[in-house]
Amino acid sequence: QQPVQSPQAVILREGEDAVINCSSSKALYSVHWYRQKHGEAPVFLMILLKGGEQKGHDKISASFNEKKQQSSLYLTASQLSYSGTYFCGAYNQGGKLIFGQGTELSVKP
Amino acid sequence: NAGVMQNPRHLVRRRGQEARLRCSPMKGHSHVYWYRQLPEEGLKFMVYLQKENIIDESGMPKERFSAEFPKEGPSILRIQQVVRGDSAAYFCASSPYTADEAFFGQGTRLTVV
Repeated sequence: QQPVQSPQAVILREGEDAVINCSSSKALYSVHWYRQKHGEAPVFLMILLKGGEQKGHDKISASFNEKKQQSSLYLTASQLSYSGTYFCGAYNQGGKLIFGQGTELSVKP
Repeated sequence: NAGVMQNPRHLVRRRGQEARLRCSPMKGHSHVYWYRQLPEEGLKFMVYLQKENIIDESGMPKERFSAEFPKEGPSILRIQQVVRGDSAAYFCASSPYTADEAFFGQGTRLTVV
């Protein structure tokens, strides 16, 4: 079952914060976050495995709720380089990796 | 350790021809996933393979499309008798284990003329 992302699109000014959500009706084994810039390949950001886990590097962090049905990606003090489409991904029981529909983030000067 | 390698990066085919897309996973990775992406759209799952086995091909059209991941060599996504609607970016990703971190190749942009 495909994870559901919200919002579909976000427009920010440099320095502003954003939150992107990823949810599922069933508990996820893990959640994966990727960023894709236009015309390029998706780039792995981080993986969360445990309920209640929080993880981050630089000003990009993520959380995974206790029930493992929702993850949020936090982008603080956004930079122009953060622009792109963010995808969350999850594996189903059969090992298939499927992605949400994506959230397009635009950071303006 | 080289990343996931896909070739060719760009492929132009006339309608009715065959397209062969190659994906060499990262060293030590035995799981390969193929995705199709149309402009401004998401990553649509096509097929999941492990060495010599197709695990899940639920996202792949029943006709004209096939995939393999032989014991030796890259994974191949093959599209026979291409049509204009097959034009898209095709990405593969690889992971060392089930449900582990997966890394993407640079993709193959297929254009059918």
